[in-house]
Amino acid sequence: GEDVEQSLFLSVREGDSSVINCTYTDSSSTYLYWYKQEPGAGLQLLTYIFSNMDMKQDQRLTVLLNKKDKHLSLRIADTQTGDSAIYFCAERNFNTDKLIFGTGTRLQVFP
Amino acid sequence: GAGVSQSPSNKVTEKGKDVELRCDPISGHTALYWYRQSLGQGLEFLIYFQGNSAPDKSGLPSDRFSAERTGGSVSTLTIQRTQQEDSAVYLCASSPGLGGADTQYFGPGTRLTVL
Repeated sequence: GEDVEQSLFLSVREGDSSVINCTYTDSSSTYLYWYKQEPGAGLQLLTYIFSNMDMKQDQRLTVLLNKKDKHLSLRIADTQTGDSAIYFCAERNFNTDKLIFGTGTRLQVFP
Repeated sequence: GAGVSQSPSNKVTEKGKDVELRCDPISGHTALYWYRQSLGQGLEFLIYFQGNSAPDKSGLPSDRFSAERTGGSVSTLTIQRTQQEDSAVYLCASSPGLGGADTQYFGPGTRLTVL
């Protein structure tokens, strides 16, 4: 079945890079997404990557996809306190349109 | 432009009562999704609409849950005879429905508390 896993917590110092990891099981995934959820807010789409790509960069964000290992990562360069939030990865299956979400990684940035 | 809106933002109800949650998608988006986020959990898919039809209802947890969409726009999620385990944040998302990445844009959610 479909399963998406993430580590629950990550703590980094302001100015350092953060790397949030995600693994998934569905080999039919077409697109993979990263969403950010700040306290009391909805989900904000950060970026996505098509499954035939291995890297996508968007300003401070870099997404790496290892399709063989079914591993996705989100790197945030020069992490700021405003980056503190929960980050969800999600995968979309070729045959359906629903997103399967991981449990989210809570990123805490300290000064 | 306007994003996805949901109402109410908070709903407190007594066990056994029915509740209706509303979602207004982004104008022109043909696809609409409902998800549920329970405390400390990830997001759980409930139902998906393409236009007014629901090709995927696989996530509805019981027959107490139903949803409809009229005019290809507004959707309501109804929970009958609410139970305490229904307490969660109910999130709605919409997407253009045109294929490709078809990214989903989320509303702020409705926080449902069943006492």
